[in-house]
Amino acid sequence: GQNIDQPTEMTATEGAIVQINCTYQTSGFNGLFWYQQHAGEAPTFLSYNVLDGLEEKGRFSSFLSRSKGYSYLLLKELQMKDSASYLCAGLMNRDDKIIFGKGTRLHILP
Amino acid sequence: ETGVTQTPRHLVMGMTNKKSLKCEQHLGHNAMYWYKQSAKKPLELMFVYNFKEQTENNSVPSRFSPECPNSSHLFLHLHTLQPEDSALYLCASSQASGGSYEQYFGPGTRLTVT
Repeated sequence: GQNIDQPTEMTATEGAIVQINCTYQTSGFNGLFWYQQHAGEAPTFLSYNVLDGLEEKGRFSSFLSRSKGYSYLLLKELQMKDSASYLCAGLMNRDDKIIFGKGTRLHILP
Repeated sequence: ETGVTQTPRHLVMGMTNKKSLKCEQHLGHNAMYWYKQSAKKPLELMFVYNFKEQTENNSVPSRFSPECPNSSHLFLHLHTLQPEDSALYLCASSQASGGSYEQYFGPGTRLTVT
C-alpha cells in the first residue's frame, strides 16, 4: 500500500524555527496536504501543494518535491500555541483518496 | 451553528448496544466523510458521500452503517461493536469529494466500547 512517513515527535523552542518532514512513495500521489490538530480538537487545514516548490503563508510554509517524494512544513517564530500534531496527507491520483500519515506531535518549550 | 458539528461528543456503549453518531455541516458542501482516529495510527477514511451518494466504502465492517439523507447530514449507525472499535470518529465535509478540496473536520465523537 501507499506509505506516508513522518517523525512521531519533535521538540522545539519558542521563537525558533522547526521543519517537519514527510516522505511518501512517488508513484500514485498527486499532491500533499498538511493539517494541524491540537489535542482533543479537530484537524484544521494548513496547506496543499501540488506543484514543486515552497509556498509561504505567514509563519507557516510548505515545500514539495514530487520527484523525491518529499515534503516539509516549516514553522517560523514558534509560539506556544503551535504545540499540536501536524498531519501530512497525500492525495492519490488513482481514486482521489487522501491517505494520512500518523502525524508528528510537536512540543514547544518556553 | 457554524462549520461542522458532531453529536454526541462522547459515547460509551456495550458490545450489544445500538447507537448512532450524527454529523451536520453548515458550509453548503456536497461531500461528507467519516474517519476513524485511533491512538498511534493514521487517520483512516471509512466512508465518502458525494451529493448524498456513497462513493467510497473503505473495507469497513458491516457493524458500521452510514446514512446520508441529504448533503448536510451524515449518520454512522453502530451495532454489535468490538472493544477495538473504541476511537475518535471524525466527520468532515468538503465542496466536493476527491481532488484538492480542503476538508473541514468536526470535533469528533470519542467512542468507548465496553
